[in-house]
Amino acid sequence: QVQLQESGPGLVRPSETLSLTCTVSGYSLTSGFSWGWIRQFPGRGLEWIGDFSHNGGTYYTPSLSSRVTISMDPSRNQFSLRMTSVTAADAAVYYCARRDGSIIFDRWGQGTLVTVSS
Amino acid sequence: QSVLTQPPSVSGAPGQKVSISCTGGTSNIGAGYDVNWYRQVPGTAPQLLISYNINRPAGVPDRFSGSKSGSSASLAITGLQAEDEANYYCQSYDNSLSGSIFGGGTKVTVL
Repeated sequence: QVQLQESGPGLVRPSETLSLTCTVSGYSLTSGFSWGWIRQFPGRGLEWIGDFSHNGGTYYTPSLSSRVTISMDPSRNQFSLRMTSVTAADAAVYYCARRDGSIIFDRWGQGTLVTVSS
Repeated sequence: QSVLTQPPSVSGAPGQKVSISCTGGTSNIGAGYDVNWYRQVPGTAPQLLISYNINRPAGVPDRFSGSKSGSSASLAITGLQAEDEANYYCQSYDNSLSGSIFGGGTKVTVL
């Protein structure tokens, strides 16, 4: 059973860097699929942030590409999200998820709430 | 504002049918890209409900059905049950953004 679990600080100060980690169990990140991040704003809307494929290639939504980096640590079977210069507009629930060969996100973490405040 | 447009809410009595529309444009649904639907109970993560426009993953009741035509897609729930109360999201690919896009979500209320 594939499981994903997000971790990271729930509070980030404006202009600082948000760092989240997703720990995957039950499946090796290097074996297949793509893995990425999606966020959900308080008003309900979902936004795809970006993802990477197991064999290379990382993709970001254009509006965030200058501030976001997604990376993988195969030794820990984890992948991470790094977002610089956060503002209040980045406050959301952040989900890590597995994407199949198309655009289907078939496994999700439980989500972690990120608040941006000084 | 989401690229895919959904009604904010729909409602129906138990046993009735409700439909949720998802309207896109020429760079996403209208370009031929598939539509997926997710169901989200508040406080939990979205869960895949319909894939590739019409396919139900294992375990999804056949009360749920999807369709697609032109630049729009639709999710229908027949025989509405109290447990169907949730938020529903459509998703597709947009070639101008080169990535996945979601609708704004529709809250289904069972009267």
